[in-house]
Order: sequence, then C-alpha cells, then structure tokens
Amino acid sequence: NAGVTQTPKFQVLKTGQSMTLQCAQDMNHEYMSWYRQDPGMGLRLIHYSVGAGITDQGEVPNGYNVSRSTTEDFPLRLLSAAPSQTSVYFCASAAGPGTEQYFGPGTRLTVT
Amino acid sequence: KQEVTQIPAALSVPEGENLVLNCSFTDSAIYNLQWFRQDPGKGLTSLLLIQSSQREQTSGRLNASLDKSSGRSTLYIAASQPGDSATYLCAGMTNAGKSTFGDGTTLTVKP
Repeated sequence: NAGVTQTPKFQVLKTGQSMTLQCAQDMNHEYMSWYRQDPGMGLRLIHYSVGAGITDQGEVPNGYNVSRSTTEDFPLRLLSAAPSQTSVYFCASAAGPGTEQYFGPGTRLTVT
Repeated sequence: KQEVTQIPAALSVPEGENLVLNCSFTDSAIYNLQWFRQDPGKGLTSLLLIQSSQREQTSGRLNASLDKSSGRSTLYIAASQPGDSATYLCAGMTNAGKSTFGDGTTLTVKP
C-alpha cells in the first residue's frame, strides 16, 4: 500500500492564482482531513470528510474548498491564493472515528 | 471549542534520562487522543493512539496515558536516546472526526 499520497511536494503561487492540492489514500479509509501547519505551530484543521459525498469545515476553512466524490481522493482547492496561505499542508486519513490517523508527506506552498 | 496545550514547548535532556511530555485538553468529550512524532521538515509519524475507554497504551520505550476527567495525557519516554530528538505532537479527536492539535514539544536528547 502507498498509504496517503500528496502532490505536489512543493508549489509556488502568485497572489490571486488558484490551484488544487491532491490527496489520495489506498486504505479504503472513510475519514479524510486537510490540515495546515505554520512555522513553530501545531496543525490546524481546514476541512474534513467522514465519507464520500460528505464534507465539513474545520477550524480555518476560509479560502479553501473541498469535495469528496470518491473514497480514495480528497482534493483541496485554493480559490484565490493569498500570502497568508503560505504554509505546509498535510492530508490525513483514518478508517473511522476513534481510529489511528495516517498522514501524507505534505505539500509546501509559498504564495508571493 | 476544543483547545489542546502542550507543556513544555521545548525540552533538552541528557541521553539515558526518562522524561514526560504533557498534553492537556479542554473538552473531556474527546473520542481518542493520538501522539505523533515529527522530524524537521518531515510529515507526522503516529506513535500511540489511546481510545477514550482506555487509560494507557505502550509501545517499546513509549507509554502514553489518558485521564479524561482531568483533561490530561502524558507521553513517557524511557531511557531517552539522541534518535528520540524530534517534535512531539498530541491531537484530540471528537467522534465527529474533528482533530485539534497542540503546538508540540521539541525534544533534544544530548549524547
């Protein structure tokens, strides 16, 4: 199993550009989440999904959209990038509530 | 709103010492608590998961405890090694699937 994969690993955007961060898992997990991690801080939840077709907002959802059309994929869309969105983005999956979360390697995004 | 606090923010110990990392949370309705390790510039590696019905979990030199009534979890590392140097994060998850992370404790183990 590849586990949780994320692409791209690095990305530089100009202010106002849009892009999609990809996340996929091959463990048939129902739960998937997106987090951002800023320097010296823990992770903050952006959006999460408890199954295909179901998404909900986390702590910091503004400026981001998600959809979950399949169990395997959970893309994160930046609608109009801002410098405040410069961060490292992590995707995670879990089999269900109360089970272990597995994390992808992260995408380092810089917005200039 | 769930808040998770980790104290201390940084810790430096000599090799071989036993140590305890602390994690406190405000909402006793957490469904589970997970401890992670993060090396610089890397992703998160799961260390231990404690279900809400459990009081502790052990893996090798690591032991994690959970006390929901007091809102605390601890990660005990026995006989620390330089390879244990990393940032340790705790995260509380609700049964709705939302996780809240602490800011982490950065551990340095000196040879």
